[in-house]
Amino acid sequence: RKEVEQDPGPFNVPEGATVAFNCTYSNSASQSFFWYRQDCRKEPKLLMSVYSSGNEDGRFTAQLNRASQYISLLIRDSKLSDSATYLCVVNPETGANNLFFGTGTRLTVIP
Amino acid sequence: SAVISQKPSRDICQRGTSLTIQCQVDSQVTMMFWYRQQPGQSLTLIATANQGSEATYESGFVIDKFPISRPNLTFSTLTVSNMSPEDSSIYLCSVEDLSGGFYEQYFGPGTRLTVT
Repeated sequence: RKEVEQDPGPFNVPEGATVAFNCTYSNSASQSFFWYRQDCRKEPKLLMSVYSSGNEDGRFTAQLNRASQYISLLIRDSKLSDSATYLCVVNPETGANNLFFGTGTRLTVIP
Repeated sequence: SAVISQKPSRDICQRGTSLTIQCQVDSQVTMMFWYRQQPGQSLTLIATANQGSEATYESGFVIDKFPISRPNLTFSTLTVSNMSPEDSSIYLCSVEDLSGGFYEQYFGPGTRLTVT
């Protein structure tokens, strides 16, 4: 079983729509979780960190469900500029540096 | 967050040769990391580069193939040795930054390597 699993998509949504991505992780002891955004031919950029039950930043909300071992990312009022691949990332050990990356979910926001 | 630069940004190399990739950070950092992202795939950690000690390699990666230097707290190099077409990939360095009591990683712009 992979450490981190994501639906690869693609998700094609109209501008203004709300879209949600889910990500599951295998190590129940994992402590920290992240969503990164990666544009085509660019490096991943940290979008949100999730250390407790969730985190909200403007139109973006991340939620953590430890019992079911999944993290979600909700994007409200989608913009064209939100089109990118969203990577779910898990740090399986407190104090360790190893990050496990999901394969990413591709989002395209359509005018 | 730290500003990270990498050189070269891209290169096309012949098989059997070696390429050294440089990563420069604008502030002192303890931990630097090297990742590989093969076409259509996600990121895989190659090794962790600590200043003053040997790099720690992940399963499937060895020092002879990917030697790493970390001469100071702002700089690291990764060499891809005796290259083959399977080494064609994007190579990214990252650094760790402490935020709110937890460590977050930030990535350099990457080096796109094509081996012919």
